[in-house]
Amino acid sequence: EVQLVESGGGLVQPGGSLRLSCAASGFTFNAYWATWVRQAPGKGLEWVANIRQDGNEKYYMDSVKGRFTISRDNAKNSLYLQMNSLRAEDTAVYYCETGHYADYWGQGTLVTVSS
Amino acid sequence: QAVVTQEPSLTVSPGGTVTLTCGSSTGAVTSGHYPYWFQQKPGQAPRTLIYDTSNKHFWTPARFSGSLLGGKAALTLSGAQPEDEAEYYCLLTYSGPWVFGGGTKLTVL
Repeated sequence: EVQLVESGGGLVQPGGSLRLSCAASGFTFNAYWATWVRQAPGKGLEWVANIRQDGNEKYYMDSVKGRFTISRDNAKNSLYLQMNSLRAEDTAVYYCETGHYADYWGQGTLVTVSS
Repeated sequence: QAVVTQEPSLTVSPGGTVTLTCGSSTGAVTSGHYPYWFQQKPGQAPRTLIYDTSNKHFWTPARFSGSLLGGKAALTLSGAQPEDEAEYYCLLTYSGPWVFGGGTKLTVL
């Protein structure tokens, strides 16, 4: 069974850090690009970052450049998002996504940035 | 980064046909943007319906189809069902970065 399971979300103060993880199973994780997408409460989907199969090519949305780092460990079938200098506007459910054609989505993990 | 635009809301009658569109601030949408369409229902993760303009996953109902129309990507629903009521998002790729549209809330009424 294909599964993507995100973890690491929670409540953090502005300026703080969190590391999100996404554990993949049931398919060949290292065959695909992988992506983080977020959704603020009551808002639309927003692409955050993606990473190539070998981890050597990465792209970020403008507002997270320099603050967020996407990475992956293919030996552990895992995707990560290190989030630093968090802001209130980063509050969202964060989804990981991968697959040949965006086939697979996790259920999301909620990040709340608030004092 | 580019801005991708969608109709904020549309209504379709059960059994009817509706077309959702997806435009780009950089000009005409082409197959080179590899347009995607996603469906999201309340409290659920998104589900991919269409990829690369018009290709369907095995789980995509046959009543959904994707195309390019008048410089935009388009998602057409023919024979709407009550369970099609949802938010629909398009996605365009720009040689690495992705951009989602703001979403279309589709009501079947």
